[in-house]
Amino acid sequence: SQQGEEDPQALSIQEGENATMNCSYKTSINNLQWYRQNSGRGLVHLILIRSNEREKHSGRLRVTLDTSKKSSSLLITASRAADTASYFCATDEVPYNTDKLIFGTGTRLQVFP
Amino acid sequence: SAVISQKPSRDICQRGTSLTIQCQVDSQVTMMFWYRQQPGQSLTLIATANQGSEATYESGFVIDKFPISRPNLTFSTLTVSNMSPEDSSIYLCSVPGQVNTEAFFGQGTRLTVV
Repeated sequence: SQQGEEDPQALSIQEGENATMNCSYKTSINNLQWYRQNSGRGLVHLILIRSNEREKHSGRLRVTLDTSKKSSSLLITASRAADTASYFCATDEVPYNTDKLIFGTGTRLQVFP
Repeated sequence: SAVISQKPSRDICQRGTSLTIQCQVDSQVTMMFWYRQQPGQSLTLIATANQGSEATYESGFVIDKFPISRPNLTFSTLTVSNMSPEDSSIYLCSVPGQVNTEAFFGQGTRLTVV
C-alpha cells in the first residue's frame, strides 16, 4: 500500500495542552497537506507545506517537514475541546506526476474540557 | 478555489441494490477523484475520473463495482453497484487545486447498506 503512516493513532489530552501528530510518507513529494475531519464529515484543509519548506505556521498550528526522513509533524498549541477531530496528512506523488492525494492513516484527537 | 456540491449526503440502502452519487463543481476541472473512507479508517482513492475517457481505477477497485461517469468538466457520478454491508462507508469526491495549493472536497456521502 502507498498509504502513509501516522502516529499516534489516538491521542487524548486536556484543554490547554499541546498535541503533536506525526506523519511518514513513501515517495518524493511536491507538498504535504494536513486536513481535519469532524465526526466523519467532510474534510477541512488546515495547512499545506511545500517540499522546499521546513516549517510553517498558521494560528495555533505549526507544521514541520523533513524530506530526508520523509516525515512531517503537526503541532496544535493550547488545544481546545473544539479541536477534537481526526487529523490526516496527505501527499501527492512526484514520481507519477498526478494530482491525486495519498492519505495517512490518521490520528484521532480527543481534547477534554 | 472550487466549491463542490455532493449528493446525497447520506443514504440507507438494501443489499443488492445500487446507489449513484453525484458531484457538481462550480468551475471546470480536468480531473476529479473519488475516495472511500471505511468506518474508522482513512481515505482510499477509488479512481480518477477523466473527462472524455474511461476512469482510471486504483488497485483493488474495478469498474463493474464502481462505474464512474464524467460527461463534462464540472460533473461526475460514482455508482456503488450490487451493494453489500461491506460497502458501508463515506464516499467523497475531490478536485485538485492549482499547483502546490490545497485540494477541494465534497461534503461526503455516508452510505449504510443493510
